[in-house]
Amino acid sequence: SSELTQDPAVSVALGQTVRITCQGDSLKNYYASWYQQKPGQAPILVFYHQNNRPSGIPDRFSGSSSGNTASLTITGAQAEDEADYYCNSRDNSADHLVFGGGTKLTVL
Amino acid sequence: QVQLQESGPGLVKPSETLSLICTVSGGSISSYYWNWIRQPAGKGLEWIGRIYSSGSTKYNPSLKSRVTMSVDTSNNQFSLKLRSVTAADTAVYYCASPVNTTGSYGMDVWGQGTTVTVSS
Repeated sequence: SSELTQDPAVSVALGQTVRITCQGDSLKNYYASWYQQKPGQAPILVFYHQNNRPSGIPDRFSGSSSGNTASLTITGAQAEDEADYYCNSRDNSADHLVFGGGTKLTVL
Repeated sequence: QVQLQESGPGLVKPSETLSLICTVSGGSISSYYWNWIRQPAGKGLEWIGRIYSSGSTKYNPSLKSRVTMSVDTSNNQFSLKLRSVTAADTAVYYCASPVNTTGSYGMDVWGQGTTVTVSS
């Protein structure tokens, strides 16, 4: 399967912890990458591979993976974390990339 | 640091060919591989394909019959052509690359995106 499934929307209270998930068969074999996108802006990579955070990304962003599910956790969510979040990975068969449908995160 | 900039017509007529260029600055196009991604208004990201500096390509199966990517190493540019466009191809088109994420598919460098509208 080449699909990655994300919950359409998630909310979190300011300062609390939120987990955004991404499910897909290919995640059993390949790590997910995670992107944050704010309105009118290009996506920004916030976490990738097994345990990598790009330079400049706050350490409240972390990632994990178990079986066919990858997760992005924001520990102590801030107002500026309100955005759409997308996962991506490659598919199992043909070395194509796929994106999840995106999760809209609301910080209350 | 590597930067990407998309360019091309903002308006394309139905059935015609969409042509975009991504210019790479701050680094060599030969050092990485290069992706095109698009996003219709209010919708999610869709991977279109990628090209290596050698010219080798991988395309999204859903677009493969209409897509051609090429690379111009002398000008540090790569391009996208999408044939027989319809209104469904209206989107923001991004070029992106995993410049600093060796061994990963994570793309840490993105262009600002260019909006292409398909309309007569």
